[in-house]
Amino acid sequence: GDSVTQMEGPVTLSEEAFLTINCTYTATGYPSLFWYVQYPGEGLQLLLKATKADDKGSNKGFEATYRKETTSFHLEKGSVQVSDSAVYFCALRTNNAGNMLTFGGGTRLMVKP
Amino acid sequence: DAGVTQSPTHLIKTRGQHVTLRCSPISGHKSVSWYQQVLGQGPQFIFQYYEKEERGRGNFPDRFSARQFPNYSSELNVNALLLGDSALYLCASALSIGEGLGYTFGSGTRLTIV
Repeated sequence: GDSVTQMEGPVTLSEEAFLTINCTYTATGYPSLFWYVQYPGEGLQLLLKATKADDKGSNKGFEATYRKETTSFHLEKGSVQVSDSAVYFCALRTNNAGNMLTFGGGTRLMVKP
Repeated sequence: DAGVTQSPTHLIKTRGQHVTLRCSPISGHKSVSWYQQVLGQGPQFIFQYYEKEERGRGNFPDRFSARQFPNYSSELNVNALLLGDSALYLCASALSIGEGLGYTFGSGTRLTIV
């Protein structure tokens, strides 16, 4: 079945550092890929998405490129802020799976001033 | 515009009881999905409804059931509650179902079983 694997956290960075959170996937068919962010005590917010190979999703300084050859969708940001501290979830969706989202386990990011 | 609204926000129940969680999608959205998020894990798919019909079901026991109403709101019901049902239950809505459409999530209902 479909699955998503994320790097384990927590990831602790200083403000203005470069961020990479790795995400790889296994899917039957051609998935759409998503990054969601969850702030403490809140639900999930869509951060960015990509629907086909080589697409780059971007939002609020975050970006991720859909790499079909490596089945990856790594999240990057050039300069993190304290306000970026949250849990980040990589997810995929294929039509084969009834349009449900399959999530990774999440990666907690902590940014120190 | 109101986002996805879930009620209640917090709930404490005893083992063996049943619970009903409610979700109102964004106006105009016809698809509602339910997810269970156990502490420290990613959300797990429970159900998807579109136009009042069940379109998908995750690997959850029959104690879990749901329905969607003509106004596209939805209820998730869980019977014979177990300690392991303690989790954040998330509702997500979308305009339709289909490749690439992003879901909008509510803030969830925190269910604690004691």
